[in-house]
Amino acid sequence: DVKVTQSSRYLVKRTGEKVFLECVQDMDHENMFWYRQDPGLGLRLIYFSYDVKMKEKGDIPEGYSVSREKKERFSLILESASTNQTSMYLCASREIVRQYFGPGTRLTVL
Amino acid sequence: DAKTTQPPSMDCAEGRAANLPCNHSTISGNEYVYWYRQIHSQGPQYIIHGLKNNETNEMASLIITEDRKSSTLILPHATLRDTAVYYCIVEVQGAQKLVFGQGTRLTINP
Repeated sequence: DVKVTQSSRYLVKRTGEKVFLECVQDMDHENMFWYRQDPGLGLRLIYFSYDVKMKEKGDIPEGYSVSREKKERFSLILESASTNQTSMYLCASREIVRQYFGPGTRLTVL
Repeated sequence: DAKTTQPPSMDCAEGRAANLPCNHSTISGNEYVYWYRQIHSQGPQYIIHGLKNNETNEMASLIITEDRKSSTLILPHATLRDTAVYYCIVEVQGAQKLVFGQGTRLTINP
């Protein structure tokens, strides 16, 4: 079975902190994605990567950056966390047909 | 923007077939219909996809109308564990991103 793992299920940070969310997949997929999910807004794409060191902005990249140094790992970085970044963050990797999602990280910024 | 319309919620009795409708009247010839579901506090999970023929796998059946403007996901013998939000998505195969709408919240009642 494909596995997409995320470093934390729950995370609490303070405003202004730098936050790293890690995602690892074990299926050698080229494409990886970061989404956030908020009530009433559904899943929104933040960034995606189609190869090592390659990245593309999604629909809501402001306030975020990403890093893909190895194929299996895709990191989401909040340079200076703010309260409006409190959300559920979901990582996914994709083969041709479908995406595989991780369990999510619920981030609270105080 | 999502290209699909789904009812916001549905109920079904345990053991009965759950039929979830989806309208996608503007679907293009090369776009597939994908279904995902999201159980509370987990990442979305792929269920099934199809282009124009009906499809069946171990989880569900997908019925696509001849004009491809609508489809129905069928869970043949719903269980309590099928309670989830079900998303119908229309995209070309291998699309860089999936656009999730609000989905249908399916509740299976004992």
